[in-house]
Amino acid sequence: DQQVKQNSPSLSVQEGRISILNCDYTNSMFDYFLWYKKYPAEGPTFLISISSIKDKNEDGRFTVFLNKSAKHLSLHIVPSQPGDSAVYFCAASLYNQGGKLIFGQGTELSVKP
Amino acid sequence: DAGVIQSPRHEVTEMGQEVTLRCKPISGHNSLFWYRQTMMRGLELLIYFNNNVPIDDSGMPEDRFSAKMPNASFSTLKIQPSEPRDSAVYFCASISGTGDEKLFFGSGTQLSVL
Repeated sequence: DQQVKQNSPSLSVQEGRISILNCDYTNSMFDYFLWYKKYPAEGPTFLISISSIKDKNEDGRFTVFLNKSAKHLSLHIVPSQPGDSAVYFCAASLYNQGGKLIFGQGTELSVKP
Repeated sequence: DAGVIQSPRHEVTEMGQEVTLRCKPISGHNSLFWYRQTMMRGLELLIYFNNNVPIDDSGMPEDRFSAKMPNASFSTLKIQPSEPRDSAVYFCASISGTGDEKLFFGSGTQLSVL
């Protein structure tokens, strides 16, 4: 049973437009949510996170929204740049279990010039 | 800081052989994690250590897999004997343990068992 789901395996966006990546989860006990970005032949790198007590966190071009009632989070990238092309993983953890992450399957974002 | 360092980057071996993957966490980080990425199961946690002690190995798929952390700067993941279904990318990651929950990953070891 997949506790964290990213239903879109791929997304293609034009440079300068908004990219919206979605993630759903089933475990209401998840306390912390993270987005990781992965380029080919590299390890995932941390992008942005949000605690369950918040509904929005912003860092530059990246914003994560959390809707706890819907068990849904999304990552917005505005404006999208070709260098943002990568696989994006949504991840979740329980309280006080930092590093013990449950990952989604990933969404491959392609930003076209 | 050089980040989390894994070796080798690529490993090709034959079924039945022993495979040892190595990891050096970020200096000062007190927790180390081994993850595996496959097409079928995505990124999944195999085992993690806190202050060099194994805390949760429930993700280790079989007894053929074992992991050690003899000191704060080194960990190994061993597969003996290896099987073709072990082919995957194995990532090591570390976390500071200061409440900052950002996990830092190494570049991974691409393992191919023929």
